[in-house]
Amino acid sequence: DADVTQTPRNRITKTGKRIMLECSQTKGHDRMYWYRQDPGLGLRLIYYSFDVKDINKGEISDGYSVSRQAQAKFSLSLESAIPNQTALYFCATSDGGQGVGETQYFGPGTRLLVL
Amino acid sequence: RKEVEQDPGPFNVPEGATVAFNCTYSNSASQSFFWYRQDCRKEPKLLMSVYSSGNEDGRFTAQLNRASQYISLLIRDSKLSDSATYLCVVNPNSGGSNYKLTFGKGTLLTVNP
Repeated sequence: DADVTQTPRNRITKTGKRIMLECSQTKGHDRMYWYRQDPGLGLRLIYYSFDVKDINKGEISDGYSVSRQAQAKFSLSLESAIPNQTALYFCATSDGGQGVGETQYFGPGTRLLVL
Repeated sequence: RKEVEQDPGPFNVPEGATVAFNCTYSNSASQSFFWYRQDCRKEPKLLMSVYSSGNEDGRFTAQLNRASQYISLLIRDSKLSDSATYLCVVNPNSGGSNYKLTFGKGTLLTVNP
């Protein structure tokens, strides 16, 4: 079984709808992240959480919210989806790293299309 | 200068060729550096960390030049399976609670038979 899973893997929705993307991990990591990836723009950080009680905005948090339900679960919500939120969304986890720094482990991604 | 900047490519090389990718970063206080690999429509995965003294893992060699704020990745004897996008990744902070990674936009490599 994959260490980091995301559901759904693909989603088509309409403008104005509320969408939740879910991420679960079995790696036992405290740190979890949500990114979006757009062609030509690379990976951009939306939100991150260093433990269940710690939630932080990334560089592009507007229009998104998150919930850290447990150490293993981190959900991303789009309260009212808009077409420019069409993207590939990745969840990632890390243990914070030692010495040379942390490694982030990514889920398989969720492809979201907002019509 | 952008936080992390890479030549987007694409690089098209024949099997067996040697290819090098470069990356520059803007924050001189950056502490940790990595190369990630991303296959088409897949998630990024760590390829290798980049150490100050340079490091090698099989056909892959990574170098760091702090003075020039420059990172490189060299792939020798390219294989078809090396075809992917290579992401330069930097930790721009000094650690602690602000530890986050900044990703370059990636360099696309296609190795041809």
